[in-house]
Amino acid sequence: QKEVEQNSGPLSVPEGAIASLNCTYSDRGSQSFFWYRQYSGKSPELIMSIYSNGDKEDGRFTAQLNKASQYVSLLIRDSQPSDSATYLCAVIFGGSNYKLTFGKGTLLTVNP
Amino acid sequence: DTGVSQNPRHKITKRGQNVTFRCDPISEHNRLYWYRQTLGQGPEFLTYFQNEAQLEKSRLLSDRFSAERPKGSFSTLEIQRTEQGDSAMYLCASSARYAGPSEQYFGPGTRLTVT
Repeated sequence: QKEVEQNSGPLSVPEGAIASLNCTYSDRGSQSFFWYRQYSGKSPELIMSIYSNGDKEDGRFTAQLNKASQYVSLLIRDSQPSDSATYLCAVIFGGSNYKLTFGKGTLLTVNP
Repeated sequence: DTGVSQNPRHKITKRGQNVTFRCDPISEHNRLYWYRQTLGQGPEFLTYFQNEAQLEKSRLLSDRFSAERPKGSFSTLEIQRTEQGDSAMYLCASSARYAGPSEQYFGPGTRLTVT
């Protein structure tokens, strides 16, 4: 069974700190990885996509991928209270070009 | 770019009734997806269209569920004889026409409550 695992949290950080969100996946052949943010009662919003090993930065967000360890992470620098949300890791497993498999999400709370 | 739209946003129905949801994807996107999300879980894949062709249907989708995309534009998801277990957020997403995997953008969802 192909799975995506995330710590459910909640992860609590003070305003201005770095929040680190982690995700592991079971299929070594996976090639495409995504982070979505979901506010309570709303739909998922795409934050980052990453396809190659290493880091990818976009503003305050950095995605990190390590395919050998089957691990992907999201760093949020200078965390703001508006970043408080559930962060969903999604993977397109090998053999598919389109089917997203999601983790259960990590609830992040940024305290003013 | 107006984004993915879904209607209705909320639907309350009695067990045994049929319901239909509509999704309008981003205009230039040829791929359309339906997912279902229950409380405390990530979205789960239901089905996928490339243009008007339904290319995959999850085992989660019982015979009571049917989806169409007749002209390769909007899509409908119908649930017949609804059950309380069908209560969930139904999410539609779309992505652009690339050969490989591409980023999926979600609509606001339709929240279904079956009483």
